[in-house]
Amino acid sequence: AQSVTQLGSHVSVSEGALVLLRCNYSSSVPPYLFWYVQYPNQGLQLLLKYTTGATLVKGINGFEAEFKKSETSFHLTKPSAHMSDAAEYFCAVRTTGTASKLTFGTGTRLQVML
Amino acid sequence: GAVVSQHPSRVICKSGTSVKIECRSLDFQATTMFWYRQFPKQSLMLMATSNEGSKATYEQGVEKDKFLINHASLTLSTLTVTSAHPEDSSFYICSAFRDTLSGYTFGSGTRLTVV
Repeated sequence: AQSVTQLGSHVSVSEGALVLLRCNYSSSVPPYLFWYVQYPNQGLQLLLKYTTGATLVKGINGFEAEFKKSETSFHLTKPSAHMSDAAEYFCAVRTTGTASKLTFGTGTRLQVML
Repeated sequence: GAVVSQHPSRVICKSGTSVKIECRSLDFQATTMFWYRQFPKQSLMLMATSNEGSKATYEQGVEKDKFLINHASLTLSTLTVTSAHPEDSSFYICSAFRDTLSGYTFGSGTRLTVV
């Protein structure tokens, strides 16, 4: 079985500060890992994903994440927060293979302060 | 890029009536579609997985007779909430799987309010 743990349901940063959203996964086989962002009353938008290859993945809007197998982590970072980054962020995992279901973390609400 | 259209975005219905939500992949064929339910300030809970031309696979605890899913074509899946009750009020989101490279594309969600 696969699972995702997101540490911190709320994260608050100042505009211009580093953003770090934590995600740890559990999977019995090599995982595919995803970060999604959700704005109020909207669906999910893919920020980035890790499938195979380079462990540092760059996504949209300046976000990146590093797959660390030894730590079973896939933390999301952005060097400098912007007000528009305020949203809900979800980490998700799925096992490799054909279309199999995503398992989502509980989400982290990012607040960006002036 | 891959686009999924979900309609309606918002619906209010009376208790006891049925509501149909559509999910269309506009520029690709989706062999598999997923339906999620999201309660306020919570994560997405998978309700069911639907494959074109076959019966949907429901997650444990999801009433298949209440949440009817149809995936009649490679570009359309529908979720019908039958005999809706206030506790069915929620945000429903669909997702379409294109291929391993493209991954999943989510609809914009449907806010269902049952009064």
